[in-house]
Amino acid sequence: SQQGEEDPQALSIQEGENATMNCSYKTSINNLQWYRQNSGRGLVHLILIRSNEREKHSGRLRVTLDTSKKSSSLLITASRAADTASYFCATPTGANSKLTFGKGITLSVRP
Amino acid sequence: DAGVIQSPRHEVTEMGQEVTLRCKPISGHDYLFWYRQTMMRGLELLIYFNNNVPIDDSGMPEDRFSAKMPNASFSTLKIQPSEPRDSAVYFCASSQSNSGIVTQYFGPGTRLLVL
Repeated sequence: SQQGEEDPQALSIQEGENATMNCSYKTSINNLQWYRQNSGRGLVHLILIRSNEREKHSGRLRVTLDTSKKSSSLLITASRAADTASYFCATPTGANSKLTFGKGITLSVRP
Repeated sequence: DAGVIQSPRHEVTEMGQEVTLRCKPISGHDYLFWYRQTMMRGLELLIYFNNNVPIDDSGMPEDRFSAKMPNASFSTLKIQPSEPRDSAVYFCASSQSNSGIVTQYFGPGTRLLVL
């Protein structure tokens, strides 16, 4: 079973709107990461939040982590057409040296 | 600094042929990961290395798949013989351990089609 599972599976919004994506996980973690994948490309690391952090910002990205609920959310504010991509959450497994990725959320931003 | 380099970018082959995918990690990174991505199964970890040593190959689907890392700057993933169900995008990623936290850098992928 997946360690991290994102929802919704797909999201379509208008340019300028905010996009919120959620991730739930099952076991205790020391960090959670979000990655983006543009069509036909490899994944790109966006942001990492540690288990002792509740919120983190990076440009138009805001990530929250609720360890009691084992969930995280990624907010993209003022979305742009260029934000169209798949977004994955990833959590460490085993000896923390490997990551387990969710199935991803497909975000479409309409111009 | 160059990112993770993979070759070839695209490969079309016939069932039964041997396929070799290549990866050059980012210099100085001590971890290397091989993934396979399909619509049905998402992103699956096949195998990963630490300091050129295979650590976990539990994701390798079967004996037809093998991976090597002869030195810190090169790794191969071989499929022999290939089958149509091996068609997927194969990604290599590398990372550098930092206080137990690993952020991965992905290559552009090799899109494999087995006819």
